[in-house]
Amino acid sequence: GAGVSQSPRYKVAKRGQDVALRCDPISGHVSLFWYQQALGQGPEFLTYFQNEAQLDKSGLPSDRFFAERPEGSVSTLKIQRTQQEDSAVYLCASSFLGVSYEQYFGPGTRLTVT
Amino acid sequence: AQKITQTQPGMFVQEKEAVTLDCTYDTSDPSYGLFWYKQPSSGEMIFLIYQGSYDQQNATEGRYSLNFQKARKSANLVISASQLGDSAMYFCAMRESMDSNYQLIWGAGTKLIIKP
Repeated sequence: GAGVSQSPRYKVAKRGQDVALRCDPISGHVSLFWYQQALGQGPEFLTYFQNEAQLDKSGLPSDRFFAERPEGSVSTLKIQRTQQEDSAVYLCASSFLGVSYEQYFGPGTRLTVT
Repeated sequence: AQKITQTQPGMFVQEKEAVTLDCTYDTSDPSYGLFWYKQPSSGEMIFLIYQGSYDQQNATEGRYSLNFQKARKSANLVISASQLGDSAMYFCAMRESMDSNYQLIWGAGTKLIIKP
């Protein structure tokens, strides 16, 4: 089957706008992760879902960030009232459960807030 | 303290030469996994190779091998016979079994440039 897909690939938002980023994981993958990657740096963990349950949202930088995965497959990361510091690439990854399984990544959404 | 350390921000290597990218890690968890990913300029994270903490042998995948030195907490990536297409960012990452989320903990990355 297909890999992890994300949409849109690029998003330009004016400061203060709300945005929604979509992730479609690999079918059957229990775990879904969102990461934020600033230019020239490694990814930073945002949040984790196991099926539809959001088990960890400790990496979300503020209460403007919200994520959901209502049916345990597609996930949406929403950012309200975007700020310039939100500009980054948002990566989604899915995997089977366990320490030995690699995470499969989508192409990312590059968000630019002007 | 950093859990994953990649000390080489950037490297230039001549095409066809072998290259070693350094990675050291820090964990008290006896069961963990170490991963290397490649990120070309297109942005997608591509899985390269995996080493489990209990694996007896060093992992190999084609031109990629992992020099795993458990006592030193070192997991260096070796790319043999480098190619121009190997130019990319390379990230070392770790998953710990004590972390029920199994999230990846990432290093800062090494930018590898292959010269023709």
